[in-house]
Amino acid sequence: EAQVTQNPRYLITVTGKKLTVTCSQNMNHEYMSWYRQDPGLGLRQIYYSMNVEVTDKGDVPEGYKVSRKEKRNFPLILESPSPNQTSLYFCASSLEGVRTEAFFGQGTRLTVV
Amino acid sequence: AQRVTQPEKLLSVFKGAPVELKCNYSYSGSPELFWYVQYSRQRLQLLLRHISRESIKGFTADLNKGETSFHLKKPFAQEEDSAMYYCAPRRDNYGQNFVFGPGTRLSVLP
Repeated sequence: EAQVTQNPRYLITVTGKKLTVTCSQNMNHEYMSWYRQDPGLGLRQIYYSMNVEVTDKGDVPEGYKVSRKEKRNFPLILESPSPNQTSLYFCASSLEGVRTEAFFGQGTRLTVV
Repeated sequence: AQRVTQPEKLLSVFKGAPVELKCNYSYSGSPELFWYVQYSRQRLQLLLRHISRESIKGFTADLNKGETSFHLKKPFAQEEDSAMYYCAPRRDNYGQNFVFGPGTRLSVLP
């Protein structure tokens, strides 16, 4: 089944403790992206990747890192999480081409205390 | 700067009433336009795309290049349409090309 898989689905952590949220897709998509969803603010892009080893900042990259060593994986790294990073995170992937749709993961709800 | 606006954060209508969710964009070039929907506790999914000229679940979207708008419409809203709706222009293959609007929460009342 074609899908985007995020792990974990739920995570509670403490301020400053490094964490990684994984994202994997099995559709051989070139483009992958991370978003955070906050009430009243909608979806805001954190980082995106056009292909392996090609990543760039989105609208809200501060406090986050990403890597794209393999085409299928695009982990989101929070080196030192803070409470303002408490949010719902979504990973998405798509083929190249403006007419192709994005496929989303099921979301990761992160709470930083 | 590229911008996508959805002026209503919340839109409430009664079942059977028409509904229109507004989307305006300011992009250079000619982006492709998409609408995504997120039902309660579910992941975002594609609702429809302009290029397909399709009607999905009774929804249609008209692209007005002069007004740079891509409003989503449905003549008779149903309770199961209650969800979060995001407008998403996709510009090109390079750079930050898949940016979403702030979203409109549609609530269809019985």
